[in-house]
Amino acid sequence: GESVGLHLPTLSVQEGDNSIINCAYSNSASDYFIWYKQESGKGPQFIIDIRSNMDKRQGQRVTVLLNKTVKHLSLQIAATQPGDSAVYFCAENLSSGSARQLTFGSGTQLTVLP
Amino acid sequence: GAVVSQHPSWVICKSGTSVKIECRSLDFQATTMFWYRQFPKQSLMLMATSNEGSKATYEQGVEKDKFLINHASLTLSTLTVTSAHPEDSSFYICSAVTGNNQPQHFGDGTRLSIL
Repeated sequence: GESVGLHLPTLSVQEGDNSIINCAYSNSASDYFIWYKQESGKGPQFIIDIRSNMDKRQGQRVTVLLNKTVKHLSLQIAATQPGDSAVYFCAENLSSGSARQLTFGSGTQLTVLP
Repeated sequence: GAVVSQHPSWVICKSGTSVKIECRSLDFQATTMFWYRQFPKQSLMLMATSNEGSKATYEQGVEKDKFLINHASLTLSTLTVTSAHPEDSSFYICSAVTGNNQPQHFGDGTRLSIL
């Protein structure tokens, strides 16, 4: 079946640097994408989302880029802080029926070094 | 806004017992709730989709008689793991949405350990 995948399972960055987390998706019919942050022992926390009619969306210190041509999604975190250390998941959603189910990628462990 | 509460956060019980996990949307009405399972260092795997007032839709390979889901109101869904065994030990997470074209909001999960 089709799935969402990540290029790198782990990423270490220096505090203050920018982080880029990448995600590849295979279902060209997906029309909604979300990035979640999951800290140890907690549930995923919504960070930012983007719909397929957009190629870029910015939030507070975060930017999501969507390249539908190559089915690639990225999350950019500016001025990475220790509190950003967590596992980041991308998720894709295919609008079908009334239930918006998400397919999660395998996750990237981001570690912020002091 | 969009707070989802899950209870209990941690439970340990003997093999053969049943465990009920509650998922509540505190400040919104959830048209749909989802139940996930997550093993250590792995991603979230969808178990079932729950719509208020109707039967849950289970993913392939998930036993509906093993994992009973009840969505009695727009703010509460429960997952009951019946006759739990050690292989059922996992992190169970629920999420809720207000409607289509909205992100899922997650609870903080329930760590289930079966001895």
